[in-house]
Amino acid sequence: AQSVTQPDIHITVSEGASLELRCNYSYGATPYLFWYVQSPGQGLQLLLKYFSGDTLVQGIKGFEAEFKRSQSSFNLRKPSVHWSDAAEYFCAVGAGGGGNKLTFGTGTQLKVEL
Amino acid sequence: SQTIHQWPATLVQPVGSPLSLECTVEGTSNPNLYWYRQAAGRGLQLLFYSVGIGQISSEVPQNLSASRPQDRQFILSSKKLLLSDSGFYLCAWTGRTYEQYFGPGTRLTVT
Repeated sequence: AQSVTQPDIHITVSEGASLELRCNYSYGATPYLFWYVQSPGQGLQLLLKYFSGDTLVQGIKGFEAEFKRSQSSFNLRKPSVHWSDAAEYFCAVGAGGGGNKLTFGTGTQLKVEL
Repeated sequence: SQTIHQWPATLVQPVGSPLSLECTVEGTSNPNLYWYRQAAGRGLQLLFYSVGIGQISSEVPQNLSASRPQDRQFILSSKKLLLSDSGFYLCAWTGRTYEQYFGPGTRLTVT
């Protein structure tokens, strides 16, 4: 079965600094990969997705992610963080089977210092 | 465009009381529908999913049940709530691809 690991539970960055959130997945074939963001008390919003093709994908709010098959990783990046980026970020993998289910990581809580 | 609604937004219920949470989707047909629970400080746990009317798959044994009486309606229920049922409940839908779109959630507190 597929799995997702987000090794960083909390990350703190200064506003204007660059950001990288780590995500590692376990799956035998090419997975479908996603990053979601959740603000407190709200639902999850899709930031970006990778299905195939170009391994560097662009998303909303200035985020990007790079699929690295050799490292089984799909790290999320942003060159310059804004205070409004403070939220929880979830990586997810979809990997076959019925129902188009996703497996989510446990999330990374991002704090932005002003 | 597609929209997903959940209600109520918040709910406080005593232990042993029944539960009914509703999720509806607009602007699409025959979606896959999902119920997740998010406990405080934890990730998302898939509870149920449905690929069509009356078709429910349960992912974990629990005190909850789900039903899909209409194409774009998904209901989460319980006959008797437990303290452990407290959490943030999220409904999501997807079309023919894997990308899921989430509703605003329901905060359930069982007292």
